[in-house]
Amino acid sequence: EAGVTQFPSHSVIEKGQTVTLRCDPISGHDNLYWYRRVMGKEIKFLLHFVKESKQDESGMPNNRFLAERTGGTYSTLKVQPAELEDSGVYFCASSSGLAGQPGTGELFFGEGSRLTVL
Amino acid sequence: QKEVEQNSGPLSVPEGAIASLNCTYSDRGSQSFFWYRQYSGKSPELIMSIYSNGDQEDGRFTAQLNKASQYVSLLIRDSQPSDSATYLCAATMDSNYQLIWGAGTKLIIKP
Repeated sequence: EAGVTQFPSHSVIEKGQTVTLRCDPISGHDNLYWYRRVMGKEIKFLLHFVKESKQDESGMPNNRFLAERTGGTYSTLKVQPAELEDSGVYFCASSSGLAGQPGTGELFFGEGSRLTVL
Repeated sequence: QKEVEQNSGPLSVPEGAIASLNCTYSDRGSQSFFWYRQYSGKSPELIMSIYSNGDQEDGRFTAQLNKASQYVSLLIRDSQPSDSATYLCAATMDSNYQLIWGAGTKLIIKP
């Protein structure tokens, strides 16, 4: 069975440009999470989808970030316009149940999309 | 601000010894705790989860939870060079199942 896949693995853009990151979760996983990790810092929660609905987007830094999950399958995270502080590794993870919930909450991560904004 | 704290390391342990990784958390209501292993450039992968006080063992790995002290640890017995990685500690917030992450401890197992 395929794991969580993310594309692109690395993106280098200039300040002010737009980037769209894509995540394909494990098939059948209703819960999809976006996280970001800045070098040397902890993984930070961005938002959580249950199927196609945004369950929690309290971690989204500002309105330059837009996430979608059309049809409850893959998800995209768009950054427009990108700023220098947006650089980092963006991880997507999926789970059958809520992350952290005993039994069904194991999070499966993609390998991340490294974003560098110059 | 709810936090999970880890020593960033690196923690250097000789091959065959016991590696001890520690984590503290600030949310007294946290119920679920996790240790993830991340090799450089790869995705984090779950190695242990623990939900109640005491020890939980899985092969060479033992997770220990002390809710009174708000402390979680991971012991790796008979450490192997392949255990060299960054170990991430995570805890659920009391208010929901959102995970709060530590910054990770880099572990180096020396042959």
